[in-house]
Amino acid sequence: AQSVTQLGSHVSVSEGALVLLRCNYSSSVPPYLFWYVQYPNQGLQLLLKYTSAATLVKGINGFEAEFKKSETSFHLTKPSAHMSDAAEYFCAVDSSYKLIFGSGTRLLVRP
Amino acid sequence: EPEVTQTPSHQVTQMGQEVILRCVPISNHLYFYWYRQILGQKVEFLVSFYNNEISEKSEIFDDQFSVERPDGSNFTLKIRSTKLEDSAMYFCASSEGVGQGPGVLFFGSGTQLSVL
Repeated sequence: AQSVTQLGSHVSVSEGALVLLRCNYSSSVPPYLFWYVQYPNQGLQLLLKYTSAATLVKGINGFEAEFKKSETSFHLTKPSAHMSDAAEYFCAVDSSYKLIFGSGTRLLVRP
Repeated sequence: EPEVTQTPSHQVTQMGQEVILRCVPISNHLYFYWYRQILGQKVEFLVSFYNNEISEKSEIFDDQFSVERPDGSNFTLKIRSTKLEDSAMYFCASSEGVGQGPGVLFFGSGTQLSVL
């Protein structure tokens, strides 16, 4: 069965600092991987997706993620955090046209 | 920009009552989903719907749950006899399907269901 594990339920960074949100996957087949973001009182929004075309994937709002097969990882990064990045971030894997989500990481950005 | 809309945004009900959560997916989408998120927990898959029938459902989606697409625009989730543990945020989502590739879902803002 395919699954994703997110390390760290909360991550706190200073504004301008590097953001690193960790996600590891488990899959018996080449996975399709995703990061979704949930802002307060909103639904989930696609941030970026990996579908095997390129290992480094760029998304919206300056985020990117790198697929590393050797580490079974798909970590999300952003060079410089902005206050508006404060939200909950979910890693997900596609399983027969449905998404299986990780437990989420809440990103806090300190002024 | 097209969006998935859900009504109501909040629903309070008594245990044992029936509730219907409503969703209007994006008009040209073919796949429809319900997910739920219990407070502080992960977003969980409930059911997917394609071509007017359930394509997959999770263990959570037992006989108390049903989905329906009564017309060309609405997609509903019915819980026949609510339990306290059904309290959660319920998200509807839709997907174009093959055209956009797997996993590209558009989510509504959710219905917060509180069972008292």
